[in-house]
Amino acid sequence: DSGVTQTPKHLITATGQRVTLRCSPRSGDLSVYWYQQSLDQGLQFLIQYYNGEERAKGNILERFSAQQFPDLHSELNLSSLELGDSALYFCASNRGGADTQYFGPGTRLTVL
Amino acid sequence: QKEVEQDPGPLSVPEGAIVSLNCTYSNSAFQYFMWYRQYSRKGPELLMYTYSSGNKEDGRFTAQVDKSSKYISLFIRDSQPSDSATYLCAMRKRGSQGNLIFGKGTKLSVKP
Repeated sequence: DSGVTQTPKHLITATGQRVTLRCSPRSGDLSVYWYQQSLDQGLQFLIQYYNGEERAKGNILERFSAQQFPDLHSELNLSSLELGDSALYFCASNRGGADTQYFGPGTRLTVL
Repeated sequence: QKEVEQDPGPLSVPEGAIVSLNCTYSNSAFQYFMWYRQYSRKGPELLMYTYSSGNKEDGRFTAQVDKSSKYISLFIRDSQPSDSATYLCAMRKRGSQGNLIFGKGTKLSVKP
């Protein structure tokens, strides 16, 4: 158990809908990272937050957004969902910078 | 050309065999190299973390980095059925704020 929690474990929704994925980092970790894992693209970095502020952006679509709250939990919002958004979404956390990233168990999103 | 290339396998070996997993990369800015293990329906967990070129050993696992060839390897000695998983290489550029670039992963199966 990495200490990173993610909810829900599974999410099934329809095209055009909006969903919110939640991540609680390890105790003491200030940085949260979101990744998307699909069969064709592999594990891809989406966005990083550090102590409530956006720190880095990767291949995140404009339909997706994230935020980190004062209690350091983070939410990833996915809107106008398309079939191609079906994937595993992972959250990782660390103290920041070069520190090891610890991954949560992921949320499996299925868009029908 | 993707920044990080990894043969997806699958790779099947008998118990006790030495396993060699590899990644190549194209960007010489990568300075930090990692290997993650991912069991089915779980989040990735860090196995090895190396900085720049050289070897690092941890129990049955050895990580090698050859920056001149832009090539990294993970060796598993005395492989066990419990090593059956997908192995992901990951890299980070100096000053990249921590976001990782992953290979697509190699699926390994160790047969008893």
